[in-house]
Amino acid sequence: DTEVTQTPKHLVMGMTNKKSLKCEQHMGHRAMYWYKQKAKKPPELMFVYSYEKLSINESVPSRFSPECPNSSLLNLHLHALQPEDSALYLCASSQIGGAETQYFGPGTRLLVL
Amino acid sequence: DQQVKQNSPSLSVQEGRISILNCDYTNSMFDYFLWYKKYPAEGPTFLISISSIKDKNEDGRFTVFLNKSAKHLSLHIVPSQPGDSAVYFCATRPWGGSQGNLIFGKGTKLSVKP
Repeated sequence: DTEVTQTPKHLVMGMTNKKSLKCEQHMGHRAMYWYKQKAKKPPELMFVYSYEKLSINESVPSRFSPECPNSSLLNLHLHALQPEDSALYLCASSQIGGAETQYFGPGTRLLVL
Repeated sequence: DQQVKQNSPSLSVQEGRISILNCDYTNSMFDYFLWYKKYPAEGPTFLISISSIKDKNEDGRFTVFLNKSAKHLSLHIVPSQPGDSAVYFCATRPWGGSQGNLIFGKGTKLSVKP
């Protein structure tokens, strides 16, 4: 089983709203990632959690706040987003060490109005 | 400056023929390479990978070739099927790179025509 699940599939929010994206995996992976992907562009890494601790923050604005409650769950809290933040948000997970192949979820399509 | 280049934004192939997707990289420290396939509005699906200690890896219809001296890798799909139509991303990781430091190319859109 190489499944990463993400909810919701689609999200429309205003610039004053607060919302959260959720990601879950049960592969025993101890690294989890958030990526942002705009149309016709490759995924861009936002955050990496290793052993439930934030290990990489790629200079992401503070209106994006990640959280890793346990080894299977990863959240991305959104607050005061801008229209340019509209994108496909992808979660991924991998083992730590060795090949580290990342397995992606289906993504959440976010539209900020 | 792009460290991973997929110079063909698109490729069209007839069903049953071979599809060859190419990827070039700039840094000889990259040690692990992956190909992902992506349908619109879905997450990338891992296809196949290769370590820098190998020059070929095969999985069913998919074969990845690595030419370290040329800093080039390619993905061969034989025979191509209409369901293979998607965007294919090449990705890599520098040796000793920090966790999660995958670098993606811009992708090649493959269209397989019946």
